[in-house]
Amino acid sequence: AQSVAQPEDQVNVAEGNPLTVKCTYSVSGNPYLFWYVQYPNRGLQFLLKYITGDNLVKGSYGFEAEFNKSQTSFHLKKPSALVSDSALYFCAVRGSGGSYIPTFGRGTSLIVHP
Amino acid sequence: EAGVTQFPSHSVIEKGQTVTLRCDPISGHDNLYWYRRVMGKEIKFLLHFVKESKQDESGMPNNRFLAERTGGTYSTLKVQPAELEDSGVYFCASSQVSGGAGEQYFGPGTRLTVT
Repeated sequence: AQSVAQPEDQVNVAEGNPLTVKCTYSVSGNPYLFWYVQYPNRGLQFLLKYITGDNLVKGSYGFEAEFNKSQTSFHLKKPSALVSDSALYFCAVRGSGGSYIPTFGRGTSLIVHP
Repeated sequence: EAGVTQFPSHSVIEKGQTVTLRCDPISGHDNLYWYRRVMGKEIKFLLHFVKESKQDESGMPNNRFLAERTGGTYSTLKVQPAELEDSGVYFCASSQVSGGAGEQYFGPGTRLTVT
């Protein structure tokens, strides 16, 4: 069975500071990892994904995520947070050889303070 | 290109009533998925259509939920009769392929409140 843990319900950061939203996973086989963002009253938007290759993946809106196989983590990062980054962030995983249906985490609410 | 659309955006119904949610996927996407998120919880998979066929409905909670995708275009999800625990946000997503590493494209969701 595959699972995702987002240990923080909420992350608070000041504008201009770096941000990290944590995600750890469990899956059989090699993982496909995804980050989605949900802005208020909007659907989930795809941010980035890790399939293979470079452990540092760059995505939309200046976000990046680092795949760490030994720690089974895929933390989302941004060097300098914007107030407009405030949203709900979901991590998802699926195994390369298993079910094609992704398993999502509970979501982390990111609040960027001016 | 239009994204995934869902209707209605919000629905408030009483326990025992019926509600039908609609999803229009991105044109050309054969794969359509329904998910549900109960407040503060994970986004849970409900079912997956490939064109008009149900590929996987293992996530459907019970037989009060009925999903259809006649003609392989839009899909409906009917809840009859609704119970309090059915409250949540119902997301629809679509994709061109089901396998591989392709991402899914999500709609804005329908917020269902059962009182």
